[in-house]
Amino acid sequence: NAGVTQTPKFQVLKTGQSMTLQCAQDMNHNSMYWYRQDPGMGLRLIYYSASEGTTDKGEVPNGYNVSRLNKREFSLRLESAAPSQTSVYFCASRADTPNSPLHFGNGTRLTVT
Amino acid sequence: AQKITQTQPGMFVQEKEAVTLDCTYDTSDQSYGLFWYKQPSSGEMIFLIYQGSYDEQNATEGRYSLNFQKARKSANLVISASQLGDSAMYFCAMREGRGGGSYIPTFGRGTSLIVHP
Repeated sequence: NAGVTQTPKFQVLKTGQSMTLQCAQDMNHNSMYWYRQDPGMGLRLIYYSASEGTTDKGEVPNGYNVSRLNKREFSLRLESAAPSQTSVYFCASRADTPNSPLHFGNGTRLTVT
Repeated sequence: AQKITQTQPGMFVQEKEAVTLDCTYDTSDQSYGLFWYKQPSSGEMIFLIYQGSYDEQNATEGRYSLNFQKARKSANLVISASQLGDSAMYFCAMREGRGGGSYIPTFGRGTSLIVHP
């Protein structure tokens, strides 16, 4: 049972380069999320998708774009990476019931030099 | 203003003792839920326990219990009989509203727990 799968696990980019973080879940969840985690800041929401075909901005969306390709997949794109985007990125999904927790991927550690 | 406040950046506890990790929240919704997650040094996020605003009993899951004081807007995590493997970051999170697609979980900044042998 894979759960939430994120790729890659590690990535180093130069300033100005672009990349896409991939996320897929096999739990038939409607809702998917992208968070970034920085030391002392907890997890901050970048974008989320309540269902296939819909996406919405979270707390820190600047510099990112997302695509909800289908029900399983939710990708995060950095068009022109900046050092401020150095972070650990988590994808998560959840079922629709109110007591459903987030199911997280294992994270992507991104360094922008 | 932060919706979730975890005032203890770091906590230390002796093995086999109990420890309480604090979490206060701010919401005007009547329906909401509180979650606790554990993040060991390996980095994965692990769900521990959930408390709904309408739940009359404090939630318990094995050695984890939630001390829910609605009037004080606090949802503290109690870990009984601490083990070395409990050393980790702990995050409190809240969802507001009735769930469904509008559920946007908000996280606190976390508390680092170190269990001493």
